[in-house]
Parts: sequence; C-alpha cells; structure tokens
Amino acid sequence: QSALTQPPSASGSPGQSVTISCTGTSSDVGAYNSVSWYQQHPGKAPKLMIFDVSKRPSGVPDRFSGSKFGNTASLTVSGLQAEDEADYYCSSYAGGSNLVFGGGTKLTVL
Amino acid sequence: QVQLQQSGPGLVKSSQTFSLTCAISGDSVSSNSAIWNWIRQSPSRGLEWLGRTYYRSKWSNDYAVSVKGRITINPDTSKNQFSLQLNSVIPEDTAVYYCARGSLNHGFDYWGLGTLVTVSS
Repeated sequence: QSALTQPPSASGSPGQSVTISCTGTSSDVGAYNSVSWYQQHPGKAPKLMIFDVSKRPSGVPDRFSGSKFGNTASLTVSGLQAEDEADYYCSSYAGGSNLVFGGGTKLTVL
Repeated sequence: QVQLQQSGPGLVKSSQTFSLTCAISGDSVSSNSAIWNWIRQSPSRGLEWLGRTYYRSKWSNDYAVSVKGRITINPDTSKNQFSLQLNSVIPEDTAVYYCARGSLNHGFDYWGLGTLVTVSS
C-alpha cells in the first residue's frame, strides 16, 4: 500500500488551534474507523494520542481531538502549547494484516 | 505500568541475521488480550509495521508483506519477552527498531525506547 498523505509541516502560535490532515483511500482510511495518531519528540518513541479516529488514551489532554470524513482523517490540537511541538504521524488499518502510516507532519509552535 | 525494554546489537553486516529482544514488565507475553509487535522507522521508509505475535489459546504470528520470508517473531514465556529475527539484511534495513504493545486497528499504546540497527555493506 502507499503511505497516507500528510502535510510536511504545520504551525501555530501558543493558544491557537491547528489541524493536520491525513489522506488515504477507500481501502484504508475510508474503509475502517481505525485511524490512530502518534506524537513523536526528537529521539523518542512515538506516543499514541488518538485511536479509533477520535478516542483519547488515558492521560492525553482533551486539547487533542480526531475526526474523519471520507478518506481523510484529521488531528486538531487546540490551545497550542510549546510542548506540542513535535512530529505527528497518522496510521490506518487496511484490512488483513495490513497497516499503513503517514509520512509525518512537523508541528512548530511559533 | 507496562514497560518494554529492548536489547540487541546495533551493527550488523549485509546478508547476515540480527536479533532483538523486548522484555516485558507490567503485562504478560501470554496475555489473552495483548498483542506484541515490532515496528521500524527510517528516513527513507518512514514508520513500518513489521509483524506481531499473540496468544489466543494458541500462539499466532503475522508478518508484513515487505519482510515476509525474512522475519521471525517468537515469544519466550519463561522470560516474559519476545524477539525479532531478520535474515539476509541489506543496507535498506537500517532503521530504529521498536517493540510495541497494541493492535493494527486500535493503535500501539506502549513502546520500547528503540534500537538503532545499522546494516553495513
């Protein structure tokens, strides 16, 4: 499968909201409510921020929210904080034993 | 709190085999609800799920098409850990390798710290 498409970069000022898109196909994002989002700081392992399109694991601030429309999923970070500056990756289940990741978006807090 | 501790060599020669181990604390490799995975990350290939092992009355493994035939993931119940073995490595296998708990459709909630494996030609 091809990787999911994410913008290479996004930015916002502290307190603002920013949305990162993740575009797939009718075989992955559009077919399953199984989109996850990960936050990765430099030199660290990815951290699960959103699963099942819009669910937050325990401990993840409610400033992070997820949604999906058709073949495109989105991650919105509200009330941006300096510590939100990181790389963000989406992933989608694609049936069977198939998982596809996005190429990542570098979020900069201005 | 689940913790995953990785170990294994960081340098391997092309065409050889490397093995990594992931020791689990706070959960069990034999759990009937957990799934144990290996994922790698490189600048050229991004994040890539490699395979998984899990126990549901019997042991099962699944592998990504990209590495099928070269990969083996095995549980070790005596040490509560699982391992990754990748054969016939090439320089393109150079990556940071992570072990993680989770599922393909609900995400990976616990990760190891990662091991940089460099394949020299």
